[in-house]
Amino acid sequence: AQKITQTQPGMFVQEKEAVTLDCTYDTSDPSYGLFWYKQPSSGEMIFLIYQGSYDQQNATEGRYSLNFQKARKSANLVISASQLGDSAMYFCAMSIYGGATNKLIFGTGTLLAVQP
Amino acid sequence: NAGVTQTPKFRVLKTGQSMTLLCAQDMNHEYMYWYRQDPGMGLRLIHYSVGEGTTAKGEVPDGYNVSRLKKQNFLLGLESAAPSQTSVYFCASSDPQGAWTDTQYFGPGTRLTVL
Repeated sequence: AQKITQTQPGMFVQEKEAVTLDCTYDTSDPSYGLFWYKQPSSGEMIFLIYQGSYDQQNATEGRYSLNFQKARKSANLVISASQLGDSAMYFCAMSIYGGATNKLIFGTGTLLAVQP
Repeated sequence: NAGVTQTPKFRVLKTGQSMTLLCAQDMNHEYMYWYRQDPGMGLRLIHYSVGEGTTAKGEVPDGYNVSRLKKQNFLLGLESAAPSQTSVYFCASSDPQGAWTDTQYFGPGTRLTVL
């Protein structure tokens, strides 16, 4: 079965430090995409970063990087130099091509609190 | 450029009432989706559309209907609301670039309470 697992319900990090949010996935499909979304307290879902299953290099977007370990089926999000505005819920998601379009499967999320 | 917008932002219904949630996108995206988010859970796909005039069922379609009469709009209907449909509803859209690589962009959500 296709599944995303986020084992950290909540995390604390000091401002300016780096933090890693864990995500493991399960699929037998060789073609898939991995996404991270941020959901601040205001509620909207903000796309952060994408990694394709065939991509050789880890994806980076500014302070966000995705640590992709295919053999371990993990796609951890690394946030460098945390800021107070990074406090939010973070969701890992996997896309599987469903024949007509890709369908996103979400994890249960990790609530990150950045402390001053 | 507003992206994906949703109307209304909040709504309270009584059991058995009906309502329609409207999603609009101005990015000329071909694909649109409706998700629901419940406490302690990630988003789950209700219905989706791969183009004007098309709709398909997602993971949790029961109790909902959808229509895509115009490319930019995707409507989600509840014919007879039930307390189990209390949730936050998100609309998303994407541009088909190649199977699993499509990035979905989300609206701000609609918080629905069914009493």
